[in-house]
Amino acid sequence: GNSVTQMEGPVTLSEEAFLTINCTYTATGYPSLFWYVQYPGEGLQLLLKATKADDKGSNKGFEATYRKETTSFHLEKGSVQVSDSAVYFCAALYNFNKFYFGSGTKLNVKP
Amino acid sequence: NAGVTQTPKFQVLKTGQSMTLQCAQDMNHNSMYWYRQDPGMGLRLIYYSASEGTTDKGEVPNGYNVSRLNKREFSLRLESAAPSQTSVYFCASSDDPGTGFTDTQYFGPGTRLTVL
Repeated sequence: GNSVTQMEGPVTLSEEAFLTINCTYTATGYPSLFWYVQYPGEGLQLLLKATKADDKGSNKGFEATYRKETTSFHLEKGSVQVSDSAVYFCAALYNFNKFYFGSGTKLNVKP
Repeated sequence: NAGVTQTPKFQVLKTGQSMTLQCAQDMNHNSMYWYRQDPGMGLRLIYYSASEGTTDKGEVPNGYNVSRLNKREFSLRLESAAPSQTSVYFCASSDDPGTGFTDTQYFGPGTRLTVL
């Protein structure tokens, strides 16, 4: 079946460090891909998305590129801030309104 | 514009008790969803509703029922709660353009449920 796999956390970085969170999806069809962020005590919020191969989604300094050849959608940020501390979820939408979420990666950014 | 609201925020039940989780959205979205979030497992879809009057099972529907009361409201009912249903429950909505492919989902703040 369809699934999304992302790297386990927690990921601990110092402020201004470079961030990569890996995400891969199963290659049945051509899903739309998303990154959601969850701050403590809140619901998930859309961070960025890409709907077709080679698209790059970007928001708030975060970027992710839809790589069909490697079935990946890795999240990157050049310089993280303490305020970026949250749980990040990769998700894929295959069809009929059904999203598949990864297990989440907790990011801790230290001052 | 409150977005997606959920009540209650916290709930403790005893095994066998019943309860209904409420969800409402004010964005005039067609589609609504219920997920559960468990440690290390991400979000799993329980039920969804593509439009008023329709509901469909998701990945983990056993032990739950839903009602799409109107376009705004989508409730989740636990008829006989079990400890395995201890989780955080999220409601979400999205605007389906009618093609079967929806876009961004908007999430509520969640309900933290503990079943003793």
